Amino acid sequence: GAGVSQSPSNKVTEKGKDVELRCDPISGHTALYWYRQRLGQGLEFLIYFQGNSAPDKSGLPSDRFSAERTGESVSTLTIQRTQQEDSAVYLCASSYAPGPNQPQHFGDGTRLSIL
Amino acid sequence: GDSVTQMEGPVTLSEEAFLTINCTYTATGYPSLFWYVQYPGEGLQLLLKATKADDKGSNKGFEATYRKETTSFHLEKGSVQVSDSAVYFCALSLSGGYNKLIFGAGTRLAVHP
Repeated sequence: GAGVSQSPSNKVTEKGKDVELRCDPISGHTALYWYRQRLGQGLEFLIYFQGNSAPDKSGLPSDRFSAERTGESVSTLTIQRTQQEDSAVYLCASSYAPGPNQPQHFGDGTRLSIL
Repeated sequence: GDSVTQMEGPVTLSEEAFLTINCTYTATGYPSLFWYVQYPGEGLQLLLKATKADDKGSNKGFEATYRKETTSFHLEKGSVQVSDSAVYFCALSLSGGYNKLIFGAGTRLAVHP
């Protein structure tokens, strides 16, 4: 596809369950970012991948959160033992390369609701 | 820490009115500054950017000037249209970094005919 694709678009789950969110970046984009947007707030950075380099995980809020990316392809964000405060829209973005002159292209997000 | 503060919404305007959405930032070093827009039912899109002091970013009639002395990047448009109704986010990325974005909370703009 032409843009960043995320799935599922919506996820409702019970507290304590694990969830996995998927992001397909634009083909050829080496940089991939995950953000979280809580209701009425701006986006919070979670994690960054660049090629085969070690990811920057500095934004992950707890050890229940993890993410993987193989090479320059799909990424998955996993939240274990979900809590109600995890409810948010999770957005993925990719760019051709890192740096301010390379715009980030965002997916439509996954809306996660924890009951 | 590094942060972005933008005016709270919603901002409600009539068509053809002048728009200003204020944005100020706190950052170490020399950040790049961005405005992103999220139209109803759509994903986040880059609207404009400025990468150094006194640069002016512009797109679709919107403008913003990077003011280092006031640490501001206010968004302006001379004559808004109903189709400009959206949520606008101010953001920065830090120099020497890899473009991790730090966002403001967003400002919802509603334009009425």
